[in-house]
Amino acid sequence: DSGVTQTPKHLITATGQRVTLRCSPRSGDLSVYWYQQSLDQGLQFLIQYYNGEERAKGNILERFSAQQFPDLHSELNLSSLELGDSALYFCASSVATGTGYTGELFFGEGSRLTVL
Amino acid sequence: GQSLEQPSEVTAVEGAIVQINCTYQTSGFYGLSWYQQHDGGAPTFLSYNALDGLEETGRFSSFLSRSDSYGYLLLQELQMKDSASYFCAVRGGANNLFFGTGTRLTVIP
Repeated sequence: DSGVTQTPKHLITATGQRVTLRCSPRSGDLSVYWYQQSLDQGLQFLIQYYNGEERAKGNILERFSAQQFPDLHSELNLSSLELGDSALYFCASSVATGTGYTGELFFGEGSRLTVL
Repeated sequence: GQSLEQPSEVTAVEGAIVQINCTYQTSGFYGLSWYQQHDGGAPTFLSYNALDGLEETGRFSSFLSRSDSYGYLLLQELQMKDSASYFCAVRGGANNLFFGTGTRLTVIP
């Protein structure tokens, strides 16, 4: 158990719909990262938040948005869903400060999204 | 941007040693990490190299050559449970990670 909690674990929805994925980081971790993993693909970096502020942006579509709340949990919003958005969405957290960086992100178990 | 290359598949015999290579191109290099992911599971951290050389953690070792933009993960005394996908990842300036496409390791008896 990494200490990172993601909900829901599974989600099935239709094209054109909107969903929200939720992530609670490990206690004490200020950074949250979102990744998308399509079938048999690598992990695509979407976006990172640090202590409530957007820190880095990857290949995130304009239909997707995210935020990190004062209690440090994060939500990833996916709208106008398309079949190609079906994937496993991972959240990860880390302390993410400069000194003592160990290269380790702690991943949740993921939210599997199926768009029909 | 970032670009990482790994072999897509590797097969090795139980008890043997296997090396998974990773070459990368990135604007500004901060470090190379390795992660393991079993089917349907979450990626889990194996090792991190920021400087040239070998890092050893039990049966797993990781090597980095910054001048060659190259690293590898070495798995010794392979066990059946080591069958999984292995990803190298470069660290970005914000401490985020950019992952390669992964190497699927199959360990056979």
